[in-house]
Amino acid sequence: GAGVSQSPRYKVTKRGQDVTLRCDPISSHATLYWYQQALGQGPEFLTYFNYEAQPDKSGLPSDRFSAERPEGSISTLTIQRTEQRDSAMYRCASSSGLAKDTQYFGPGTRLTVL
Amino acid sequence: QKEVEQDPGPLSVPEGAIVSLNCTYSNSAFQYFMWYRQYSRKGPELLMYTYSSGNKEDGRFTAQVDKSSKYISLFIRDSQPSDSATYLCAMSQQGAQKLVFGQGTRLTINP
Repeated sequence: GAGVSQSPRYKVTKRGQDVTLRCDPISSHATLYWYQQALGQGPEFLTYFNYEAQPDKSGLPSDRFSAERPEGSISTLTIQRTEQRDSAMYRCASSSGLAKDTQYFGPGTRLTVL
Repeated sequence: QKEVEQDPGPLSVPEGAIVSLNCTYSNSAFQYFMWYRQYSRKGPELLMYTYSSGNKEDGRFTAQVDKSSKYISLFIRDSQPSDSATYLCAMSQQGAQKLVFGQGTRLTINP
């Protein structure tokens, strides 16, 4: 696609529910990243994929957070048993694959946990 | 203490002014330094990229990296109202994929 897309753009859920966020990267990009951005803060790294491999998930805050990219393209981020502190903007980015390559960010999914 | 520190502002300057934005960092392993611009309700977009120390100029924008002081700067000359946005510094280590961002500085250019 022309850019990174994410869905839904907004998600409101009740505490304790599971949510799944979707990222569709730029079609030629091997590497996909997930970041969490709190209001008034910069994005914080969660995890990344090289194709379907997930070499680094050190930024995932707890085992309630998981991500998948089973076919090396679209990725999902799932948060189980959501808590109010999970409320944030979740941003996806993609790059062509080298560490120095530009990361292109999507518009984000605004998650609100009530 | 965060790895990357950035004054959140807000910073408000008149059109045409020179703007200076700065970040400090603590991790001497950082080798790649970036400035991202983020407009309201949009994702960050890469503005400037520098490897290791030195200066880089692109039009009205100049990025400086001083690794000895662990200090990076972005200068905007002849600032325009369209430059009003949040500016985020970001850094990464050699061979590492993840970016470490500053908090972002909210900048407003007044016509």
